[in-house]
Amino acid sequence: NAGVTQTPKFRVLKTGQSMTLLCAQDMNHEYMYWYRQDPGMGLRLIHYSVGEGTTAKGEVPDGYNVSRLKKQNFLLGLESAAPSQTSVYFCASSYAGGRGQPQHFGDGTRLSIL
Amino acid sequence: GDSVTQMEGPVTLSEEAFLTINCTYTATGYPSLFWYVQYPGEGLQLLLKATKADDKGSNKGFEATYRKETTSFHLEKGSVQVSDSAVYFCALSESNNDMRFGAGTRLTVKP
Repeated sequence: NAGVTQTPKFRVLKTGQSMTLLCAQDMNHEYMYWYRQDPGMGLRLIHYSVGEGTTAKGEVPDGYNVSRLKKQNFLLGLESAAPSQTSVYFCASSYAGGRGQPQHFGDGTRLSIL
Repeated sequence: GDSVTQMEGPVTLSEEAFLTINCTYTATGYPSLFWYVQYPGEGLQLLLKATKADDKGSNKGFEATYRKETTSFHLEKGSVQVSDSAVYFCALSESNNDMRFGAGTRLTVKP
């Protein structure tokens, strides 16, 4: 069972470079999320999607863009990377709405911006 | 806004010791509460959850009870193992697009 798959697992960028992080889920989930994890701060929501073709801003959206062209994929883009975006990025998905729905996480992408 | 506060780590215990990780929350409505566990190099995995007051979530020997009167959801295990070494996150959700996480508590269990 693949679940939620993130690529790449590691990446080092120079300031100003761009890149796209890919998230794929095979559970037919409607909702998908991108978080960043920083030491001592838990996880913070960047953007999320409630279905194919939809996206919305989370708690810390600045400097990031997302797209959900297919239900199973959710892409996170950095147009001009900054050192403050050095973090571990997690993608998650959940079945549907409702406050009791748990989220299923990928293994993360460790991104360093020099 | 909603928030979660959990005890700061790291926590270091000997094998078979009793574990408590405190978690309290602030919410405007009636949230669901979760504990997630993160093993080294992996993503978060759901450990247990509770959706209403006085519910007890349990899994793999871990337990947590939803206490509305004290706005708490403390994680407990009677006898920890080395394999329980991980980072534990308390979280709440009032809607499916807004899960709030605590800062995480790192647990190390020594043989």
